[in-house]
Amino acid sequence: DAGITQSPRHKVTETGTPVTLRCHQTENHRYMYWYRQDPGHGLRLIHYSYGVKDTDKGEVSDGYSVSRSKTEDFLLTLESATSSQTSVYFCAISETGRSATDTQYFGPGTRLTVL
Amino acid sequence: SQKIEQNSEALNIQEGKTATLTCNYTNYSPAYLQWYRQDPGRGPVFLLLIRENEKEKRKERLKVTFDTTLKQSLFHITASQPADSATYLCALAASGGSYIPTFGRGTSLIVHP
Repeated sequence: DAGITQSPRHKVTETGTPVTLRCHQTENHRYMYWYRQDPGHGLRLIHYSYGVKDTDKGEVSDGYSVSRSKTEDFLLTLESATSSQTSVYFCAISETGRSATDTQYFGPGTRLTVL
Repeated sequence: SQKIEQNSEALNIQEGKTATLTCNYTNYSPAYLQWYRQDPGRGPVFLLLIRENEKEKRKERLKVTFDTTLKQSLFHITASQPADSATYLCALAASGGSYIPTFGRGTSLIVHP
């Protein structure tokens, strides 16, 4: 596995509470991504980062914010969790993010349940 | 709208046979197409990449074809083994864009001994 860790691996929380998921990489890759995976929808991009403090929205960014203060860490925050945000969240990294030969390496995932 | 379609029904085959999975797309001009493998409870793992100007790519028992006229990619696993059982995702990145891939929903492959 590429050097990607996610924490926590499992979390149960209540509606309305803030939640922060962490992705940590040891590969020094420039691009980092957050996806969610739900049955019937597959992987959908939430936000991505193309450098420290440089982030952009993905397909399903509403209700989520991100921050990247160091190359190795990418945080995903749910400011006020809702039941619709119950999902499995994957972090991914890629070396450049702007090459046709770039591939993504995924972390192990975080299973989040919002009650 | 852009769509990536993979068969939602699981593909069941016998060990030793060739498994063929399909990825169809519409309203895309893909720069490249990738295939990933995902095991239960784990993140996807990259397998193969094929560019728009390539017809076929091989890696060991894996073969990918890419037909931009039919807007289709086929993913073959020859001499399949029970260990090949997993979900296989295709992903496309459009030309002229950011190269961030969009993923299909995946097809589950079950290889029976």
